[in-house]
Amino acid sequence: DGGITQSPKYLFRKEGQNVTLSCEQNLNHDAMYWYRQDPGQGLRLIYYSQIVNDFQKGDIAEGYSVSREKKESFPLTVTSAQKNPTAFYLCASSMLEGYTFGSGTRLTVV
Amino acid sequence: GNSVTQMEGPVTLSEEAFLTINCTYTATGYPSLFWYVQYPGEGLQLLLKATKADDKGSNKGFEATYRKETTSFHLEKGSVQVSDSAVYFCALIPPGAGSYQLTFGKGTKLSVIP
Repeated sequence: DGGITQSPKYLFRKEGQNVTLSCEQNLNHDAMYWYRQDPGQGLRLIYYSQIVNDFQKGDIAEGYSVSREKKESFPLTVTSAQKNPTAFYLCASSMLEGYTFGSGTRLTVV
Repeated sequence: GNSVTQMEGPVTLSEEAFLTINCTYTATGYPSLFWYVQYPGEGLQLLLKATKADDKGSNKGFEATYRKETTSFHLEKGSVQVSDSAVYFCALIPPGAGSYQLTFGKGTKLSVIP
C-alpha cells in the first residue's frame, strides 16, 4: 500500500540538541510539506518542496531546516535555534490537490 | 491573503445529535474547499471536498455545501456517533498559481458522549 511513513512516533531530546524527523513517501508525489501542530493553533506550515533539490520556507521556518535529495524523502531538522520545539509534527505529500498525511511525530524537548 | 475561519471548540454532543461546524473563508476567485478529520494521535484524513460553487461534498454521513455568496463551507451530520469524536479542520487551496498549498482553519474538537 502506498503512503507516508513518519518516524519515530515519539521523540525525546534534551534542550540545545538538534534532532531530525524522518518522512518517506512511496506515492510518487512531487510535493512534500512539513506542518507543526500546537493545541488551539491548527496546522502551521514550516517548509514545503515542490520538486527534488528545491524547497521554500513556510510561515514558521525559523529554527528548522530541510533537504530534498530524493523524491521519496523530506527530512526535517529541528535545530537548537527553535525556541519552543515541543510539538506534534506532521508530514504530507500531494499530487495536485490530493494530499496524504503521515501519522505524525510527537517531539518533546526536556 | 487566503484564510479560513472555523468555529471554536470544543463541541460536545450527545450521540445521535445533529452536528454543524461552521467554516467561512477568504480567498480570491473560486478556491477548492476541504474538510479533514484527525483522530487522536493520528495524522489528517480527507473527509470531503468541493471544487466549485454549489457543489456538495459528502462522506460517511457528513455533508458540506460550497456557498460562494456567503463564502462558507459548513460541515453537517444528521446523527453523530461516539466514533465521530475527533478534530475537524476546514481548509482551502486557492485557484491558479500552480501551487496546491493548503490553508487550514484552527480546527474544531468534537466530543460525542453516549
